Parts: sequence; structure tokens; C-alpha cells
Amino acid sequence: AQSVTQLGSHVSVSEGALVLLRCNYSSSVPPYLFWYVQYPNQGLQLLLKYTSAATLVKGINGFEAEFKKSETSFHLTKPSAHMSDAAEYFCAVSKGGVEKLTFGTGTRLTIIP
Amino acid sequence: GAGVSQTPSNKVTEKGKYVELRCDPISGHTALYWYRQSLGQGPEFLIYFQGTGAADDSGLPNDRFFAVRPEGSVSTLKIQRTERGDSAVYLCASSFAQGAGELFFGEGSRLTVL
Repeated sequence: AQSVTQLGSHVSVSEGALVLLRCNYSSSVPPYLFWYVQYPNQGLQLLLKYTSAATLVKGINGFEAEFKKSETSFHLTKPSAHMSDAAEYFCAVSKGGVEKLTFGTGTRLTIIP
Repeated sequence: GAGVSQTPSNKVTEKGKYVELRCDPISGHTALYWYRQSLGQGPEFLIYFQGTGAADDSGLPNDRFFAVRPEGSVSTLKIQRTERGDSAVYLCASSFAQGAGELFFGEGSRLTVL
């Protein structure tokens, strides 16, 4: 079975500061890993995905994540936070493909002006 | 439409009533998924369709829940004898093909069972 743990249900950063959202996974097989973002009153949107190719994955809006097998982690980062990054972020894992994603509980990111 | 459309956006019902939630996927997407998101939780997988058939319904919590996709496009999630614990946001997503790598989510249907 697959699972993900997102450390920190709420994260606040100042505008312009580094964003780091943590995700650790558990999987019995090589995982596919995803980050989705949910802006207020909108549907979930894919930020980026890891599907066993390059371990450093670049996504939309300047976000990136690095797959670290030794640490079973897939943390999301952005060098400089923008006010528009305020949203809820979900890490998800699957055995392969997108048919049955297992999501974490989410991290709400607040940007302080 | 351009995106995944879900109706109704909000549904309030009484315990024991029957509810239908509708999902209209992106045109041309063959795979359709239902997830449920309870307060403070991430989305939980319910069922997915490849074409008209349910390829995996292992996430449906019990036999009160049923979903159909008769023509391979629009899907309806049906909940019988609703219970207060069914209150959640029901999310629909579609993708171009099975294993395509990205799900496109609708805004969800918020169900409240009184």
C-alpha cells in the first residue's frame, strides 16, 4: 500500500522567502509522486510529477521538487514566494499512472506581505 | 466546456434521502475518476472509469454508493439512504487516457447531510 505524510498542515512564509513544503512517502513499489495545488474556489491543479525519470522535477509557477529515495521524500520548493502562491498543496503517490492516487492531508500555505 | 464540470456545486439533503451528483468531463477524455474529500483530509479515491466500464471501484465505501457512465462521457455518482458521515466534497477528475499522467479536477460537489 502507498501513503504520504505531509508535515505541517499550515505553513506561513514572507513574500520573497523560500517556500518548503514537506512530503514523505511510503510505497512497496517504485512510486509515482505528484504535487497538486488547490486555489480558493477552484479544482485541484497538477503542479508537477515524478515518474521515475529525472529526480529533480520542475513544475509550473516556479515550483520544483526532488525525489530522494534514501529519505523517501518528495519535498516541494520555490526560491521566492509570491502572494499568488497562497493555496492548499497536496502531495500524492501512486503505484504507477494516475488511476488511484493516495493523497496527503494537505498543507495550507499563507504568504505574509 | 473547457474544464470538468460538476453539478450541483452544493447539495443539502436529509438523512436517508437519495442523492445524485453529476460530472461532465473534458471532451475527449476517456478516463474519469471520483474522489471524496472530507473536512481536513486529502481526497480519497472512490472509483474510476475507462470508457463506459468501471475499471476499479475498490474505493466505494459500501453498497449505498454506485456510479455509472453509460455513454462513456458524463458520469453520475449515486448515493442511497444518505448518512451524516457522507457529508464531504465529491470531486470528479478526467484524463486523456488511462495512465496519462495528469488528472484534471472539477471544483467539486459539496454534499451536506443533515
